[in-house]
Amino acid sequence: KNEVEQSPQNLTAQEGEFITINCSYSVGISALHWLQQHPGGGIVSLFMLSSGKKKHGRLIATINIQEKHSSLHITASHPRDSAVYICAAGGGGADGLTFGKGTHLIIQP
Amino acid sequence: DAGVIQSPRHEVTEMGQEVTLRCKPISGHNSLFWYRQTMMRGLELLIYFNNNVPIDDSGMPEDRFSAKMPNASFSTLKIQPSEPRDSAVYFCASSLEQGGRAGFGPGTRLTVL
Repeated sequence: KNEVEQSPQNLTAQEGEFITINCSYSVGISALHWLQQHPGGGIVSLFMLSSGKKKHGRLIATINIQEKHSSLHITASHPRDSAVYICAAGGGGADGLTFGKGTHLIIQP
Repeated sequence: DAGVIQSPRHEVTEMGQEVTLRCKPISGHNSLFWYRQTMMRGLELLIYFNNNVPIDDSGMPEDRFSAKMPNASFSTLKIQPSEPRDSAVYFCASSLEQGGRAGFGPGTRLTVL
């Protein structure tokens, strides 16, 4: 079974700062997902990565398959980015997703 | 486009009662997932379907839990009998392919007294 570790668990930063959230997994995967859960509880899928890098607005996600590591970056952070960010690793085939415990991000104005 | 639809949004029931959670995936998506989220355990995958067929139900906690997907536009998660430790938020998600980016429903907050 895959073990997914996220760091940091909690992060408080000032508006405008560059944010990095890390995710490591133990077993080779076919896809890694980044999710955002808002304070109200809703979940949004941000990225699904199998290699390289993806960018959407101020969000960038990278994955290094050899090192079994992914990062989520937020540029020019804003208070509305405050949420829990969760990574999930998938083995494909008959394996479902294994989730990290999430990173609780607070961006202060 | 409508997203994933779940009902009910909130359910409060007494221990021992049967609970049925419902999900309508995004039209055209062929993979459907049921997740449970608790403070203690975070998000957990319970079961997922591909083309209406259950692929992996190893996350289903015990025999009290069952899930069905009778057609491409509807799935249910049933708990019978319910117990207080089943209290959680249950999310349904769907994706165009098994490893694809998923759309999540708003969740059903279940409280078992």
